Amino acid sequence: NAGVTQTPKFQVLKTGQSMTLQCAQDMNHEYMSWYRQDPGMGLRLIHYSVGAGITDQGEVPNGYNVSRSTTEDFPLRLLSAAPSQTSVYFCASSRSDVLGSRDTQYFGPGTRLTVL
Amino acid sequence: KNEVEQSPQNLTAQEGEFITINCSYSVGISALHWLQQHPGGGIVSLFMLSSGKKKHGRLIATINIQEKHSSLHITASHPRDSAVYICAVRNYGGSQGNLIFGKGTKLSVKP
Repeated sequence: NAGVTQTPKFQVLKTGQSMTLQCAQDMNHEYMSWYRQDPGMGLRLIHYSVGAGITDQGEVPNGYNVSRSTTEDFPLRLLSAAPSQTSVYFCASSRSDVLGSRDTQYFGPGTRLTVL
Repeated sequence: KNEVEQSPQNLTAQEGEFITINCSYSVGISALHWLQQHPGGGIVSLFMLSSGKKKHGRLIATINIQEKHSSLHITASHPRDSAVYICAVRNYGGSQGNLIFGKGTKLSVKP
């Protein structure tokens, strides 16, 4: 299994540009999520999905869109990039996360995004 | 006040030392995770626990639910243990997406 994969690893954008960060997992996990990591702060949840066709907002969703058309893929879209979105982005997945479940989270390698 | 607090923020140790990293949280939780972030940025899950103690190799994680506190111990530390260690809690009763992360403890083990 490849686990959780993310592309690209690095990206530089200009303010106002759009792009999609790709995330895929081959473990048949129902639960997937996107986090951003900024210096001096803990990981913060952007959006998450509990299964194909179901997404919800996390702590910092503004400026980001997601969709989940398949179990495997969970892309994160920046419609109009802003310098405040400069960060490292991590995708993660785990098995079906029924309330109180205790499943391990598997993280992708991260995407380092710079918005000029 | 952050809901998950880790201490210390930075820790330097000599190879072979016993290391303890602490995590305190202020919310009711269903599970607590310890994660390791390598210098290259990759994040791996070390432990997930809701009670008691877990051990994997030289790593030991404990949790005291009543005191809302967890510790991560590393015995016989080695330079390859140098990484950022992150505590995260799953808020009991919260949305399924709700993992709350500490800011991490940066550990450097000198040979």
